Amino acid sequence: EPEVTQTPSHQVTQMGQEVILRCVPISNHLYFYWYRQILGQKVEFLVSFYNNEISEKSEIFDDQFSVERPDGSNFTLKIRSTKLEDSAMYFCASSEFRVSGANVLTFGAGSRLTVL
Amino acid sequence: AQTVTQSQPEMSVQEAETVTLSCTYDTSESDYYLFWYKQPPSRQMILVIRQEAYKQQNATENRFSVNFQKAAKSFSLKISDSQLGDAAMYFCAYKLAGGGADGLTFGKGTHLIIQP
Repeated sequence: EPEVTQTPSHQVTQMGQEVILRCVPISNHLYFYWYRQILGQKVEFLVSFYNNEISEKSEIFDDQFSVERPDGSNFTLKIRSTKLEDSAMYFCASSEFRVSGANVLTFGAGSRLTVL
Repeated sequence: AQTVTQSQPEMSVQEAETVTLSCTYDTSESDYYLFWYKQPPSRQMILVIRQEAYKQQNATENRFSVNFQKAAKSFSLKISDSQLGDAAMYFCAYKLAGGGADGLTFGKGTHLIIQP
């Protein structure tokens, strides 16, 4: 069964450092997403990406965040200058078409980011 | 803004018994989708079941079924004949239908424990 793969599984960084989280979506999927889950809290939508541009972003996705599809397979989330409150599990997801009753998200296993 | 509430942080059930996880949501929209996702420990979230709001019939997937009460804005998940492999975090999620809204809104999750 096709999977969304994420690297690294866990990253520890110092406050103020740049972090790049990587994702390889399912190959025939066209929509890509990042979600995050702060420990003990809800899974929150960050951003969606389609046709090489941001389709939608939440209030959380401020100027410190950026996404990119640098080649035909990877989808990255960059946090420019990490803050303590960026510590969370970050989930990548993809879908073949826009999510509906017929088209659902496939999630990766997540990248745990710890900011010290 | 839409909100999803899962009022049970943790539930426990004996193997082979039936358990119901509750979910309520708040929306002023009439066309939307609802999902239950399962997240085993250290694994990615996988879709358990989905429901389209315009469909009155409750969705069923093998041992998993929902009780969708649109007027009450309730979307509970029933797991019949519980198995040890059902142990996981279960997340209820909502998505507005149509374009312009890509993100899912999640509840905080219910930790389901299966007792042998």
